[in-house]
Amino acid sequence: GENVEQHPSTLSVQEGDSAVIKCTYSDSASNYFPWYKQELGKRPQLIIDIRSNVGEKKDQRIAVTLNKTAKHFSLHITETQPEDSAVYFCAAMIKAAGNKLTFGGGTRVLVKP
Amino acid sequence: DTAVSQTPKYLVTQMGNDKSIKCEQNLGHDTMYWYKQDSKKFLKIMFSYNNKELIINETVPNRFSPKSPDKAHLNLHINSLELGDSAVYFCASSPLAGERTDTQYFGPGTRLTVL
Repeated sequence: GENVEQHPSTLSVQEGDSAVIKCTYSDSASNYFPWYKQELGKRPQLIIDIRSNVGEKKDQRIAVTLNKTAKHFSLHITETQPEDSAVYFCAAMIKAAGNKLTFGGGTRVLVKP
Repeated sequence: DTAVSQTPKYLVTQMGNDKSIKCEQNLGHDTMYWYKQDSKKFLKIMFSYNNKELIINETVPNRFSPKSPDKAHLNLHINSLELGDSAVYFCASSPLAGERTDTQYFGPGTRLTVL
């Protein structure tokens, strides 16, 4: 089955700096890669996603890149703000396999003011 | 912000009891899911239903039984609760048609504590 590895597990950055989280996946059939942000005690919320026919996608301060050959994808947050502090999860899905999302282990991001 | 709702939000119970968690979505979605998030925050899918039909059934003890009375509801019944069942359980849903059939929207979660 699919396996998703996420690094780092914790990330501390100064406000205004960039944060990068990297994920690798094992199944080359995966074709959908969402990123979720989970604040303490809250639900995971989709912040950006990318499909396998696209190499990069940007939405304001967040961007995601996908390298299908290497089977890895990354989340980039620029100009970090204290409200970016949360746990971020990457995930991979094989859409033909019943929309099963396999999550990475999460990255706890702390933005220091 | 209540498009996917769950009840109860918190559930504290004794080992050996049977309990249910309810999930409802008003998004008109056809597919619903149950996820378990353990104490280390790891999120793992348990089940998915598509229009009341079971699609995904991961390696979950058969003490866990999902029930979908209609496509807007997916409940989770747990028999003979064990300490290791303590976790946060999230319901999610996604549409069957349209551009974003892969996008899953999560409910607020139910924190289950087994004593």
